[in-house]
Parts: sequence; structure tokens; C-alpha cells
Amino acid sequence: DTAVSQTPKYLVTQMGNDKSIKCEQNLGHDTMYWYKQDSKKFLKIMFSYNNKELIINETVPNRFSPKSPDKAHLNLHINSLELGDSAVYFCASSPQVRGQTYGYTFGSGTRLTVV
Amino acid sequence: AQKITQTQPGMFVQEKEAVTLDCTYDTSDQSYGLFWYKQPSSGEMIFLIYQGSYDEQNATEGRYSLNFQKARKSANLVISASQLGDSAMYFCASRYSSASKIIFGSGTRLSIRP
Repeated sequence: DTAVSQTPKYLVTQMGNDKSIKCEQNLGHDTMYWYKQDSKKFLKIMFSYNNKELIINETVPNRFSPKSPDKAHLNLHINSLELGDSAVYFCASSPQVRGQTYGYTFGSGTRLTVV
Repeated sequence: AQKITQTQPGMFVQEKEAVTLDCTYDTSDQSYGLFWYKQPSSGEMIFLIYQGSYDEQNATEGRYSLNFQKARKSANLVISASQLGDSAMYFCASRYSSASKIIFGSGTRLSIRP
């Protein structure tokens, strides 16, 4: 039943490791996003895909690589994790109507802690 | 650059009182949308209310209403009859026609006192 599901919910890992976060939506939305929420609660967009095509790639270290195998899935792979990567990562999806982005449905977030 | 500003980092309100959370935006786009999201301590992001730039009436959803003043570029959230469960972070956000994304303000932490 979950509209946007992210796994895992919590991720604790050591510096230097590689990890992935998965996201799936069953809403039939065209566009999916990754946002990072830092310790001050500020939400910043990282990536966006529309129908499997990358449309937004903000200034993010290239250790972060999104992958969208189909329009219902958007995964985030992070190489060589650093302490500063610790944050909550949110996946979201939205419909696109006549090229306009409409409201997001968010996943429950993945709290990543790098030690 | 397009921007959303929330000037109240934190607010305390007595239960059952009404509360207004401020939000101003900055855009030259004619077509845009404004959103409010709630983030309780459990962490999920909950959509509350939406206002389109061409909507003539202020949006309302239950106890939430959006006080949209286009000339002032403000989109304040009003919560009537606040409840303890309203304690959370509240984010104002905007979608501009020139960008395929929503940008968020820095949030206001609302605490409801019993």
C-alpha cells in the first residue's frame, strides 16, 4: 500500500564504505527525486529523474550516483562515504502535468550515519 | 535566484490558539505553486496544503488555511485551534514554472503548549 517506499530506514556504516538506498513508488508518477536533509533540517535537492531520464543534477559530489531502471524506481548509490554524508535522505515522486511539477509524495526517509 | 524565506525558526503557542507561520517567496515567474509540509518528530514529510499562483481564493484544508498575498509575495500558513499533535517542523515550499523542482524554506519549529 505504501506510495513511496525507501529502504533501508536506517543505515550506519563506516567511512570509506559504499552503500545504496532504494526507492520505489506505486503512484504512476513520472518524476522522482532525491533530497538531502542536513542536521539543521534544511532540505536540498540532489537529483531528479523524469521517465528514467536525469533532468536535475545539482552540485553533488560524483561519489553520489543515482540510477533509475524504470520510472517507478530511483536508487542512490554512494561511494567512499564520508562523515559529512551523514544526513536524512528523502526520495519523493510527483506527477508532471503539461511540464509543470506538482506536489511531492515523500518516502519516509533514510537516516544515514557515517562513523 | 528563486528563494523561499521563513523568518521564524521557532514558535511556542498555547493549545487551542490560532497560529500563523510566515513564508515569503521570490520569483519573477507568473505561474507557480506554493506548498506547506509538516515534519513531526518521527521524520516523515506530510503534505498539508497547496496554493496555485492563479487561484483567486485562499486554499483551505480542514484547520489549515493559506493566507496568499500575491503582491507581497507571501504565503502564510494559518492553523486554527492548535492541538498538541501540531507540534512539528513546518516547511514552506514553492514550485516555479521555470524549474522542474520544488525548493524549500528553512522551516519553522512549532511547539504547542498544553
